[in-house]
Amino acid sequence: AQKVTQAQTEISVVEKEDVTLDCVYETRDTTYYLFWYKQPPSGELVFLIRRNSFDEQNEISGRYSWNFQKSTSSFNFTITASQVVDSAVYFCALQGGSEKLVFGKGTKLTVNP
Amino acid sequence: DAGITQSPRHKVTETGTPVTLRCHQTENHRYMYWYRQDPGHGLRLIHYSYGVKDTDKGEVSDGYSVSRSKTEDFLLTLESATSSQTSVYFCAITRGQGVYEQYFGPGTRLTVT
Repeated sequence: AQKVTQAQTEISVVEKEDVTLDCVYETRDTTYYLFWYKQPPSGELVFLIRRNSFDEQNEISGRYSWNFQKSTSSFNFTITASQVVDSAVYFCALQGGSEKLVFGKGTKLTVNP
Repeated sequence: DAGITQSPRHKVTETGTPVTLRCHQTENHRYMYWYRQDPGHGLRLIHYSYGVKDTDKGEVSDGYSVSRSKTEDFLLTLESATSSQTSVYFCAITRGQGVYEQYFGPGTRLTVT
């Protein structure tokens, strides 16, 4: 069985603070893929990143960075110098040996001015 | 923009009535998915399709059926809507075969009274 846990239900920060969203996953597959999606208040789902299980390099894209650690089954997402526009619900997801994505329940991030 | 549209975007219906939601894509993608999103549950897969007339169940398929008679359209039917099916429904596609990120449509908000 595959499972994704996002233990933080809601996070509130003040603009310019750094914030890390946690994602812990469970899978028996040796090959798998991890994803992060953003859902702003307007409701659409926006793909942010995909990482495969063979690539543990961290990735940085502007103010966003992702830390993938197989040893702890975690794929955490950090936003540096947060902005109000970062306010959204963020979902972590896992895909193993099938075509199905399993999503975590999401973390609602509120960035206050 | 993944070229995905959903119709209707909003619908209110009564318990016991049949409802069909449509997902339409313009880019000839093979894989299509239906999810529902509920507070506290994240996104859960209802059904998916890997080709014309080829469909399979997700984790919450009870009470739902799907059809795919042509590549561009994937229909989700609630044969007899219940209040527990009040939700936001998202359609998604993958741009490649196998494990690729999914791109989502704008969603349909369904209310069953």
